[in-house]
Amino acid sequence: DGGITQSPKYLFRKEGQNVTLSCEQNLNHDAMYWYRQDPGQGLRLIYYSQIVNDFQKGDIAEGYSVSREKKESFPLTVTSAQKNPTAFYLCASSIGSGRTGSYEQYFGPGTRLTVT
Amino acid sequence: AQSVTQLGSHVSVSEGALVLLRCNYSSSVPPYLFWYVQYPNQGLQLLLKYTSAATLVKGINGFEAEFKKSETSFHLTKPSAHMSDAAEYFCAVRSNTGKLIFGQGTTLQVKP
Repeated sequence: DGGITQSPKYLFRKEGQNVTLSCEQNLNHDAMYWYRQDPGQGLRLIYYSQIVNDFQKGDIAEGYSVSREKKESFPLTVTSAQKNPTAFYLCASSIGSGRTGSYEQYFGPGTRLTVT
Repeated sequence: AQSVTQLGSHVSVSEGALVLLRCNYSSSVPPYLFWYVQYPNQGLQLLLKYTSAATLVKGINGFEAEFKKSETSFHLTKPSAHMSDAAEYFCAVRSNTGKLIFGQGTTLQVKP
């Protein structure tokens, strides 16, 4: 079955520690995305990647970093510089991301990160 | 720039009643529009999408949405609500840079 996996489902960290969230897809999609979701704020784009070895900042990239060394993998690191990292993080992918075409995004199950 | 407004952060209906979730968009180009559903502590699932092929779009779980260009709306409806429809619903528009812009979400409560 094709899909997107995120691990772990729940993650707990102490303040000041970096933490890496995993996102893997076997849909053969070129584009991948990371969103942050907070209650009442919808989804906010952190980073996205349209192709391997390339990625762009989204609307709230400060305190986060990503890599895209393989087509199927797009890990997100939440650094200690992120002031309020506790949130629900969602990874998504789409077959493409050009200016034309609907290119709907498919989402993983999410990782809930709690930093204390 | 594209934007999405979902009217009503919470909607409550009785089981068997009509579901109507409102979405208005702003777009300078013909839009691609989407509705997603999110159950608690899960990812988003695509319900349906508008790609200009037809103004009335049918999706999964009995939902449909009608694109009205004159009203810049893409409201989501379902004739008869089921308890399992209780979830959060997001409307989204694809920006001219290829990114999805989401509304703030509407939580649907279904009362027995």
